[in-house]
Amino acid sequence: AQTVTQSQPEMSVQEAETVTLSCTYDTSESDYYLFWYKQPPSRQMILVIRQEAYKQQNATENRFSVNFQKAAKSFSLKISDSQLGDAAMYFCAYRSATGTASKLTFGTGTRLQVTL
Amino acid sequence: NAGVTQTPKFRILKIGQSMTLQCAQDMNHNYMYWYRQDPGMGLKLIYYSVGAGITDKGEVPNGYNVSRSTTEDFPLRLELAAPSQTSVYFCASRFGTGDNEQFFGPGTRLTVL
Repeated sequence: AQTVTQSQPEMSVQEAETVTLSCTYDTSESDYYLFWYKQPPSRQMILVIRQEAYKQQNATENRFSVNFQKAAKSFSLKISDSQLGDAAMYFCAYRSATGTASKLTFGTGTRLQVTL
Repeated sequence: NAGVTQTPKFRILKIGQSMTLQCAQDMNHNYMYWYRQDPGMGLKLIYYSVGAGITDKGEVPNGYNVSRSTTEDFPLRLELAAPSQTSVYFCASRFGTGDNEQFFGPGTRLTVL
């Protein structure tokens, strides 16, 4: 079974600065997807960014980018020019590219605080 | 499109009571999922469905039942509620395979006292 580990329960960043959230995963599969979800106090799960394992290029979405190291099974999220609205829980998630159900396996999350 | 809707938003149950959490989606998604999120933790899969009439257990199915009689609806039934079922419950759906995004509902906060 796949596992996802987020070793930073909490992180803090000043507004306009850059922060990196860590995620490692364990799998024996070669084809899969990785995701970062944001969960603000409203509880709504919002997809931030996704990465396909067979793509070597790191995904980027505006101020959000990832550092995907397949051999090391590492998938970190970098938030540039942090804004107050970025404060939330961030979850890393794994999904197999095979099988019929496409289930997500989540890490335990990192709470990000953004200070003035 | 309303997306994925869940009712109720909040509920308090007494130990031993039963209830059904409702989930509906209007995006014609064939895959639907139920997750629970315990305090300070990530989401864990309870049950999932790949189409009407087809359901299967996830990681933490004990104490729950599901049915999928239509594409749109995927209710989650709690029988004999226990304090260990105090959690936030999320329903999600997605279309087909590949990298299609999984859409989440707003969640139901359930407390069992």
